[in-house]
Amino acid sequence: GQQLNQSPQSMFIQEGEDVSMNCTSSSIFNTWLWYKQEPGEGPVLLIALYKAGELTSNGRLTAQFGITRKDSFLNISASIPSDVGIYFCAGHPRGSNFGNEKLTFGTGTRLTIIP
Amino acid sequence: DAGITQSPRHKVTETGTPVTLRCHQTENHRYMYWYRQDPGHGLRLIHYSYGVKDTDKGEVSDGYSVSRSKTEDFLLTLESATSSQTSVYFCAIGGQTETQYFGPGTRLLVL
Repeated sequence: GQQLNQSPQSMFIQEGEDVSMNCTSSSIFNTWLWYKQEPGEGPVLLIALYKAGELTSNGRLTAQFGITRKDSFLNISASIPSDVGIYFCAGHPRGSNFGNEKLTFGTGTRLTIIP
Repeated sequence: DAGITQSPRHKVTETGTPVTLRCHQTENHRYMYWYRQDPGHGLRLIHYSYGVKDTDKGEVSDGYSVSRSKTEDFLLTLESATSSQTSVYFCAIGGQTETQYFGPGTRLLVL
């Protein structure tokens, strides 16, 4: 099945550094979602974006819905040890759940914090 | 946290045996989904439901069936488990928007 291109695949950073990751698609989406997954757990929704150009924050996390509707970005400021995990983006082409389109998931960015 | 539970959380079974995984929600969401997550493949949709007794196939539905007799419960059945079905299975729920909330997962090992 289709997957979104997510980069980087992995990041090794020091505590306190800022983090940036992005997702790109060859097709247009009307919804972008960002999830975080920790070992042994299910993905947890961090931020949902529903409008092109939208910039939304959740604490130290900020996500943006790209103007072209083909990309989205997630930034984490001043990273802390509990930020470790895998971050996934997901996109949906329509404005509602009706119809046959489903979420397309990114390949994930694995974040590791170096002591 | 969205009210989603999955049972069992871990299961070991033998090839050829039937297995049923349960997803239970307390959010009264219309949509429910079953995914499997494997290294190198990410999250792949197995089946989904858009209402009681209304289900449809996802991209990797072969070897799986589902049932939804109540809004709150969505069952995934492996009729005859195979080693290729060893995976982590996640249930998700969704409302009128595309946002989905995931359960804690079931880790299944088929020997």
